[in-house]
Amino acid sequence: DSGVTQTPKHLITATGQRVTLRCSPRSGDLSVYWYQQSLDQGLQFLIQYYNGEERAKGNILERFSAQQFPDLHSELNLSSLELGDSALYFCASSSMGRMNTEAFFGQGTRLTVV
Amino acid sequence: GQQLNQSPQSMFIQEGEDVSMNCTSSSIFNTWLWYKQDPGEGPVLLIALYKAGELTSNGRLTAQFGITRKDSFLNISASIPSDVGIYFCAGHLNSGGSNYKLTFGKGTLLTVNP
Repeated sequence: DSGVTQTPKHLITATGQRVTLRCSPRSGDLSVYWYQQSLDQGLQFLIQYYNGEERAKGNILERFSAQQFPDLHSELNLSSLELGDSALYFCASSSMGRMNTEAFFGQGTRLTVV
Repeated sequence: GQQLNQSPQSMFIQEGEDVSMNCTSSSIFNTWLWYKQDPGEGPVLLIALYKAGELTSNGRLTAQFGITRKDSFLNISASIPSDVGIYFCAGHLNSGGSNYKLTFGKGTLLTVNP
C-alpha cells in the first residue's frame, strides 16, 4: 500500500459528460501529480500541484483541470469527455527533502467513456 | 522536451534467467527511478538513483545510474513468475524549487515462463 488513495477505482460515463477524480496523497506529502496512462501512450504527465498551487503542467487538455485543496487532497476534472479520454488516471505524491523526487502512486481510476 | 527510450519493449524469459533492461535519454537527468506495474495497479517504486555512477540493489534487483547521466539500467537476477509485469524507468531533472516532472519510458513488458 503506497498510502496514496484514489477514488473511484472504476468509472464508466458517456461522451460529453463531466467527471471528477479524487486523490488523497500520503500523509505529509505536499506535492500531487496526475498522470494519464493509455495503451499506446504510456504514462503521460498531466499536472503537478504543490501545497495548493499549480507548479508544473504537462500534456493536459484544456477540457481537463485540477486543483489541490487546503487539506492537500486533489481533484482532476475531466469535461466534454471523448472516447479517446478512456484511460487509467493515476495520482502520485511526494514529500520534501532529498527524497522528494520519489513519487508514490495510487492504484488509479480506470475511466471508460462510451 | 525530454524523451526516454526504454528497451526492450517486451521480454519472454524462463524462470531462473537473468534479465536486463535499460533507458536512454536525450538529455541529462539527476535522478533515475525504476517502477514496476502489475496489471490494474499503480506503478510501485523499486529503486531510486541519485548520483551518476551509483549502483543500487534491492534484493534480486540491481540498477545503475549511467556516468553520462543520460542512461540507466535495471537487472533482475534469477527471475521468478511474480516478476511478471511492466517495468518503467523514469527520470527527473531538478530545476530548482518544487517544480517537478517525472519523464517516463514506455515500459518493458516482462513475461516469465515457469
